[in-house]
Amino acid sequence: GAGVSQSPSNKVTEKGKDVELRCDPISGHTALYWYRQSLGQGLEFLIYFQGNSAPDKSGLPSDRFSAERTGGSVSTLTIQRTQQEDSAVYLCASSLVAGGRSEQFFGPGTRLTVL
Amino acid sequence: GEDVEQSLFLSVREGDSSVINCTYTDSSSTYLYWYKQEPGAGLQLLTYIFSNMDMKQDQRLTVLLNKKDKHLSLRIADTQTGDSAIYFCAERADGGATNKLIFGTGTLLAVQP
Repeated sequence: GAGVSQSPSNKVTEKGKDVELRCDPISGHTALYWYRQSLGQGLEFLIYFQGNSAPDKSGLPSDRFSAERTGGSVSTLTIQRTQQEDSAVYLCASSLVAGGRSEQFFGPGTRLTVL
Repeated sequence: GEDVEQSLFLSVREGDSSVINCTYTDSSSTYLYWYKQEPGAGLQLLTYIFSNMDMKQDQRLTVLLNKKDKHLSLRIADTQTGDSAIYFCAERADGGATNKLIFGTGTLLAVQP
């Protein structure tokens, strides 16, 4: 009966390496969201999935960031050639449907540190 | 543009009421939310208000919305030490055409015993 889960919980990487962050939404939730929480920028929207498609990618900060969702379930956020400014907590959320007052349920986040 | 602002810090004594304020800029916002974040934990939805409402009460929580001034507040009655956390207001902007949430900067609430 789990909530949204994310892995890893912590990731330390060297500048220039690629990283993959995983999100398992609540079963049956069709909408999935990625946000980023950092000291300088607060909580920012990155990308939103409805099923396997991403109608809104407006928050991805650069083309080094990409995300996919398969089977209408698990999503992976990939950051290529990581930079120090990518250090942040990456939060995933899911909701039963998109729109209306459908609540977004958040996972515990992945803390990414780029050295 | 979209911008949601909050004061950074609030300190209250246990048993007192806490009022956390938020201002937003998008007049087409449909829903406004309050989330709570405890250390090391994800965001937890506390309550929400639809834009055609002025007030919503839910147990110890009261949300007030002033659309004219684009001002939202969260009042916590009888504040307890367990209420210590960061509180974020958020809006669903663009008249609901997008499903993304725009978050405020967060207010750290410290409850003194």
